[in-house]
Amino acid sequence: QKEVEQDPGPLSVPEGAIVSLNCTYSNSAFQYFMWYRQYSRKGPELLMYTYSSGNKEDGRFTAQVDKSSKYISLFIRDSQPSDSATYLCAMSEVKAAGNKLTFGGGTRVLVKP
Amino acid sequence: DTGVSQDPRHKITKRGQNVTFRCDPISEHNRLYWYRQTLGQGPEFLTYFQNEAQLEKSRLLSDRFSAERPKGSFSTLEIQRTEQGDSAMYLCASSPRDKDYEQYFGPGTRLTVT
Repeated sequence: QKEVEQDPGPLSVPEGAIVSLNCTYSNSAFQYFMWYRQYSRKGPELLMYTYSSGNKEDGRFTAQVDKSSKYISLFIRDSQPSDSATYLCAMSEVKAAGNKLTFGGGTRVLVKP
Repeated sequence: DTGVSQDPRHKITKRGQNVTFRCDPISEHNRLYWYRQTLGQGPEFLTYFQNEAQLEKSRLLSDRFSAERPKGSFSTLEIQRTEQGDSAMYLCASSPRDKDYEQYFGPGTRLTVT
């Protein structure tokens, strides 16, 4: 079983709808939780990160972390066709000597005009 | 452009050949990471540098793979005796000092082994 699980989708929504994405994980040592957006044949782009549990909002994006359930979410409000991409969750522990990211497999999102 | 750059963007090689990729991180970032991504999967960690020191290597990094960051600036990833299973996107990321979670990725090098 993978450390980080993510539904591959695809998730298809009409323009203007709320996109809801989530990941579950098994490693209780994860402390930082990130969301990346990746367009086809491009590198991942960091959207936002959260430390420990709680919510964080940035424009149309809201990230939530529930460490007790080992569950994280990303919500995209007022979705646009340009939001069509693969969304990757990533997590890391806190170590003195650097922190590799552990990724989920990504969820493909398609926002239809 | 002050982002992470990678070269080449695409490499096609025959099985058994050696290939080398280059990554130039964001200039003020002292930490540099290599990841590999296959189709439909998330990136997987390969190795990590702090300045010129290679501090961690994944078990995915077989003895055919070697990475260097000789002066603490750009890094190279070499694959010797390539195999078809090495076909993947090789991604480089860099992060600022004390913010490892804030990793910024380059566009990747897509390797195809025929």
